[in-house]
Amino acid sequence: KAGVTQTPRYLIKTRGQQVTLSCSPISGHRSVSWYQQTPGQGLQFLFEYFSETQRNKGNFPGRFSGRQFSNSRSEMNVSTLELGDSALYLCASSLVDNTEAFFGQGTRLTVV
Amino acid sequence: GQSLEQPSEVTAVEGAIVQINCTYQTSGFYGLSWYQQHDGGAPTFLSYNALDGLEETGRFSSFLSRSDSYGYLLLQELQMKDSASYFCAVVTGGGNKLTFGTGTQLKVEL
Repeated sequence: KAGVTQTPRYLIKTRGQQVTLSCSPISGHRSVSWYQQTPGQGLQFLFEYFSETQRNKGNFPGRFSGRQFSNSRSEMNVSTLELGDSALYLCASSLVDNTEAFFGQGTRLTVV
Repeated sequence: GQSLEQPSEVTAVEGAIVQINCTYQTSGFYGLSWYQQHDGGAPTFLSYNALDGLEETGRFSSFLSRSDSYGYLLLQELQMKDSASYFCAVVTGGGNKLTFGTGTQLKVEL
């Protein structure tokens, strides 16, 4: 079966712009989580959604937001981009909880 | 808050056994997971421990001691393809939140 699909794979944006990233989970998976990965900070949890509800949120500013649709697909949005937002954004899906999460290949965001 | 500590780098020879330790401080502990990530790749799930003891999956084993807030990943019969970063992650938030350690880069040499 198909894995977790993230689009786009690469993105270049200008400071101050906003960006929307998309994640399609594995079929049947209802939990979707988002992570930011940078060389300096490692893998940091952004938020997690289950059945269109945010269940957990990490310590990121309000510029970072997300949502989940009824088909479990998820999007995350970053507004007013800053240079420090340049990172690999990873999405992970799981059946119900995150005891076993399956990651997508990520979206590499570069802010210039 | 939550914190996890694991060594930044480990080097071992092909065919050897290596142990990557992870100590953590957290509230609402649910379990400990391990993930492997090759350069340029996505993290892939290796194991999950909710209870004390050893879980074995092929060449990989993972151990958890909840009372010591400690776990480790044991890799046996090392192969070159095992060269990657290995992350421990505590599961909290009722099983819904993963907090990752900073990762251990494993280099397997001939």
